[in-house]
Amino acid sequence: GQQLNQSPQSMFIQEGEDVSMNCTSSSIFNTWLWYKQDPGEGPVLLIALYKAGELTSNGRLTAQFGITRKDSFLNISASIPSDVGIYFCAGQYSGGGADGLTFGKGTHLIIQP
Amino acid sequence: EPEVTQTPSHQVTQMGQEVILRCVPISNHLYFYWYRQILGQKVEFLVSFYNNEISEKSEIFDDQFSVERPDGSNFTLKIRSTKLEDSAMYFCASSDASGIPIGPDTQYFGPGTRLTVL
Repeated sequence: GQQLNQSPQSMFIQEGEDVSMNCTSSSIFNTWLWYKQDPGEGPVLLIALYKAGELTSNGRLTAQFGITRKDSFLNISASIPSDVGIYFCAGQYSGGGADGLTFGKGTHLIIQP
Repeated sequence: EPEVTQTPSHQVTQMGQEVILRCVPISNHLYFYWYRQILGQKVEFLVSFYNNEISEKSEIFDDQFSVERPDGSNFTLKIRSTKLEDSAMYFCASSDASGIPIGPDTQYFGPGTRLTVL
Protein backbone atom coordinates (compact mmCIF):
# COMPACT_ATOMS: atom_id res chain seq x y z
CA GLY A 1 0.00 0.00 0.00
CA GLN A 2 0.88 3.67 -0.11
CA GLN A 3 3.36 4.84 2.51
CA LEU A 4 3.94 8.29 3.92
CA ASN A 5 7.28 9.27 5.41
CA GLN A 6 6.79 11.94 8.04
CA SER A 7 9.65 13.79 9.67
CA PRO A 8 10.90 14.60 12.13
CA GLN A 9 9.60 11.90 14.44
CA SER A 10 9.80 14.28 17.41
CA MET A 11 10.74 17.88 18.08
CA PHE A 12 11.88 19.51 21.29
CA ILE A 13 11.57 23.27 21.04
CA GLN A 14 11.33 26.38 23.17
CA GLU A 15 8.10 28.33 23.42
CA GLY A 16 8.00 31.01 20.74
CA GLU A 17 10.05 29.06 18.23
CA ASP A 18 8.83 28.23 14.75
CA VAL A 19 8.22 24.59 13.82
CA SER A 20 8.41 22.82 10.48
CA MET A 21 7.49 19.24 9.64
CA ASN A 22 6.93 17.45 6.37
CA CYS A 23 5.63 14.36 4.67
CA THR A 24 6.78 12.68 1.51
CA SER A 25 5.33 9.86 -0.51
CA SER A 26 6.52 7.67 -3.35
CA SER A 27 3.08 7.95 -4.95
CA ILE A 28 0.75 10.79 -5.80
CA PHE A 29 -1.99 12.04 -3.52
CA ASN A 30 -4.78 14.36 -4.60
CA THR A 31 -5.61 15.56 -1.10
CA TRP A 32 -3.32 16.29 1.81
CA LEU A 33 -4.62 16.81 5.31
CA TRP A 34 -2.90 17.75 8.54
CA TYR A 35 -4.32 16.61 11.87
CA LYS A 36 -3.35 17.14 15.51
CA GLN A 37 -3.97 14.49 18.11
CA ASP A 38 -3.92 15.05 21.85
CA PRO A 39 -3.46 12.06 24.19
CA GLY A 40 -6.55 9.85 24.35
CA GLU A 41 -8.43 11.85 21.76
CA GLY A 42 -9.22 11.63 18.08
CA PRO A 43 -7.35 13.47 15.33
CA VAL A 44 -8.53 17.04 14.87
CA LEU A 45 -8.32 18.54 11.41
CA LEU A 46 -5.97 21.52 11.12
CA ILE A 47 -5.62 22.20 7.42
CA ALA A 48 -6.90 20.57 4.22
CA LEU A 49 -5.14 20.95 0.87
CA TYR A 50 -6.76 20.04 -2.43
CA LYS A 51 -4.61 21.47 -5.23
CA ALA A 52 -0.96 20.97 -6.12
CA GLY A 53 1.01 24.04 -5.13
CA GLU A 54 -1.71 25.26 -2.78
CA LEU A 55 -0.52 27.21 0.25
CA THR A 56 -3.07 27.55 3.03
CA SER A 57 -2.94 29.23 6.43
CA ASN A 58 -4.99 28.71 9.56
CA GLY A 59 -3.89 31.23 12.17
CA ARG A 60 -0.28 30.44 13.06
CA LEU A 61 -0.34 27.31 10.91
CA THR A 62 0.68 27.22 7.26
CA ALA A 63 0.68 24.16 5.04
CA GLN A 64 1.56 23.56 1.43
CA PHE A 65 0.63 20.89 -1.08
CA GLY A 66 3.78 20.06 -3.03
CA ILE A 67 3.77 20.70 -6.76
CA THR A 68 4.67 17.08 -7.48
CA ARG A 69 1.68 15.91 -5.38
CA LYS A 70 4.10 13.72 -3.43
CA ASP A 71 4.83 15.94 -0.47
CA SER A 72 3.45 18.48 1.96
CA PHE A 73 4.79 20.55 4.83
CA LEU A 74 3.28 22.15 7.90
CA ASN A 75 4.76 25.17 9.63
CA ILE A 76 3.76 26.50 13.02
CA SER A 77 4.93 29.98 13.89
CA ALA A 78 5.58 31.32 17.39
CA SER A 79 4.75 28.08 19.17
CA ILE A 80 2.73 28.16 22.39
CA PRO A 81 2.24 25.49 25.08
CA SER A 82 -1.09 24.30 23.67
CA ASP A 83 0.66 23.34 20.43
CA VAL A 84 2.04 20.29 22.24
CA GLY A 85 0.75 17.07 20.72
CA ILE A 86 1.22 14.69 17.83
CA TYR A 87 0.81 16.04 14.30
CA PHE A 88 -0.15 13.67 11.53
CA CYS A 89 -0.13 14.20 7.81
CA ALA A 90 -2.64 12.21 5.80
CA GLY A 91 -3.04 11.73 2.08
CA GLN A 92 -5.94 10.61 -0.01
CA TYR A 93 -5.61 9.46 -3.58
CA SER A 94 -9.06 10.04 -5.00
CA GLY A 95 -9.69 13.47 -3.53
CA GLY A 96 -13.37 12.78 -3.30
CA GLY A 97 -15.43 10.17 -1.54
CA ALA A 98 -14.76 6.74 -0.27
CA ASP A 99 -10.98 6.40 -0.28
CA GLY A 100 -9.48 5.97 3.14
CA LEU A 101 -6.71 8.22 4.33
CA THR A 102 -3.11 7.08 4.52
CA PHE A 103 -1.49 8.52 7.62
CA GLY A 104 2.11 9.32 8.42
CA LYS A 105 3.62 8.08 11.65
CA GLY A 106 3.33 11.46 13.30
CA THR A 107 5.55 14.20 14.62
CA HIS A 108 5.55 14.49 18.39
CA LEU A 109 5.93 18.17 19.34
CA ILE A 110 7.27 18.89 22.80
CA ILE A 111 7.69 22.45 24.05
CA GLN A 112 10.24 22.96 26.76
CA PRO A 113 9.58 25.70 29.32
CA GLU B 1 -20.30 22.92 15.80
CA PRO B 2 -21.38 19.47 14.57
CA GLU B 3 -19.12 16.63 15.60
CA VAL B 4 -18.75 12.88 15.31
CA THR B 5 -19.60 11.04 18.53
CA GLN B 6 -18.62 7.53 19.56
CA THR B 7 -19.72 5.13 22.29
CA PRO B 8 -18.49 3.64 24.47
CA SER B 9 -15.33 5.58 25.20
CA HIS B 10 -13.71 2.43 26.59
CA GLN B 11 -14.67 -1.20 26.01
CA VAL B 12 -13.05 -4.12 27.79
CA THR B 13 -13.79 -7.60 26.50
CA GLN B 14 -12.56 -11.15 26.71
CA MET B 15 -10.78 -12.74 23.78
CA GLY B 16 -13.29 -14.47 21.50
CA GLN B 17 -16.19 -12.23 22.44
CA GLU B 18 -18.10 -10.07 20.00
CA VAL B 19 -18.01 -6.29 20.35
CA ILE B 20 -19.97 -3.55 18.66
CA LEU B 21 -18.56 -0.06 18.51
CA ARG B 22 -21.00 2.72 17.80
CA CYS B 23 -20.68 6.03 16.02
CA VAL B 24 -22.99 8.90 15.18
CA PRO B 25 -21.54 10.73 12.16
CA ILE B 26 -22.14 14.38 11.41
CA SER B 27 -25.76 14.58 10.31
CA ASN B 28 -25.45 15.76 6.69
CA HIS B 29 -22.43 13.60 5.87
CA LEU B 30 -22.72 10.74 3.43
CA TYR B 31 -19.38 8.91 3.72
CA PHE B 32 -18.42 7.04 6.85
CA TYR B 33 -15.17 5.46 7.87
CA TRP B 34 -13.54 3.36 10.55
CA TYR B 35 -9.88 3.59 11.47
CA ARG B 36 -7.82 2.03 14.20
CA GLN B 37 -4.72 3.13 16.05
CA ILE B 38 -2.65 0.65 17.99
CA LEU B 39 -1.01 2.30 20.98
CA GLY B 40 1.90 4.48 19.92
CA GLN B 41 1.42 3.81 16.22
CA LYS B 42 -0.11 5.61 13.28
CA VAL B 43 -3.78 5.70 12.38
CA GLU B 44 -4.75 2.92 9.94
CA PHE B 45 -7.71 2.85 7.59
CA LEU B 46 -10.14 -0.05 7.99
CA VAL B 47 -13.21 0.59 5.86
CA SER B 48 -15.33 3.21 4.14
CA PHE B 49 -19.08 3.08 3.69
CA TYR B 50 -21.38 4.93 1.34
CA ASN B 51 -24.97 4.43 0.22
CA ASN B 52 -25.43 1.51 2.60
CA GLU B 53 -22.55 -0.53 1.32
CA ILE B 54 -18.81 -0.86 1.78
CA SER B 55 -16.89 1.32 -0.68
CA GLU B 56 -13.35 0.35 0.20
CA LYS B 57 -11.65 -1.81 2.80
CA SER B 58 -8.09 -2.43 3.82
CA GLU B 59 -6.39 -5.78 4.33
CA ILE B 60 -6.91 -5.33 8.06
CA PHE B 61 -10.69 -5.50 7.57
CA ASP B 62 -11.07 -9.27 7.34
CA ASP B 63 -14.09 -11.52 7.82
CA GLN B 64 -14.10 -10.87 11.57
CA PHE B 65 -15.13 -7.28 10.93
CA SER B 66 -18.44 -5.94 9.67
CA VAL B 67 -20.07 -2.52 9.45
CA GLU B 68 -23.67 -1.49 9.45
CA ARG B 69 -25.83 1.60 9.36
CA PRO B 70 -28.83 0.26 11.25
CA ASP B 71 -30.79 3.51 11.14
CA GLY B 72 -30.47 7.06 9.88
CA SER B 73 -27.98 8.18 12.47
CA ASN B 74 -25.82 5.32 13.75
CA PHE B 75 -22.86 3.61 12.12
CA THR B 76 -21.44 0.52 13.80
CA LEU B 77 -18.32 -1.61 13.64
CA LYS B 78 -18.66 -5.21 14.79
CA ILE B 79 -15.77 -7.48 15.61
CA ARG B 80 -17.12 -10.99 15.66
CA SER B 81 -14.51 -12.81 17.71
CA THR B 82 -11.98 -10.49 19.25
CA LYS B 83 -8.28 -11.27 19.39
CA LEU B 84 -5.62 -9.80 21.64
CA GLU B 85 -4.20 -7.88 18.70
CA ASP B 86 -7.51 -6.12 18.17
CA SER B 87 -6.73 -3.98 21.21
CA ALA B 88 -6.50 -0.42 19.88
CA MET B 89 -8.27 2.91 19.62
CA TYR B 90 -11.00 2.76 17.01
CA PHE B 91 -11.96 6.01 15.34
CA CYS B 92 -15.05 6.73 13.32
CA ALA B 93 -14.94 9.51 10.74
CA SER B 94 -17.37 11.07 8.32
CA SER B 95 -17.17 13.38 5.33
CA ASP B 96 -19.50 15.39 3.13
CA ALA B 97 -18.21 14.49 -0.30
CA SER B 98 -21.87 14.17 -1.28
CA GLY B 99 -21.15 11.52 -3.85
CA ILE B 100 -19.19 13.82 -6.12
CA PRO B 101 -16.46 11.70 -7.75
CA ILE B 102 -13.82 14.37 -7.64
CA GLY B 103 -13.77 17.11 -5.08
CA PRO B 104 -12.97 18.04 -1.53
CA ASP B 105 -13.41 15.26 0.96
CA THR B 106 -12.47 16.34 4.42
CA GLN B 107 -12.84 13.64 7.03
CA TYR B 108 -13.78 14.58 10.59
CA PHE B 109 -12.90 12.18 13.35
CA GLY B 110 -14.69 11.17 16.52
CA PRO B 111 -12.98 10.93 19.91
CA GLY B 112 -12.48 7.19 19.59
CA THR B 113 -13.30 3.99 21.49
CA ARG B 114 -10.46 2.35 23.34
CA LEU B 115 -10.90 -1.42 22.94
CA THR B 116 -9.01 -3.63 25.35
CA VAL B 117 -9.08 -7.38 24.70
CA LEU B 118 -8.02 -9.54 27.64
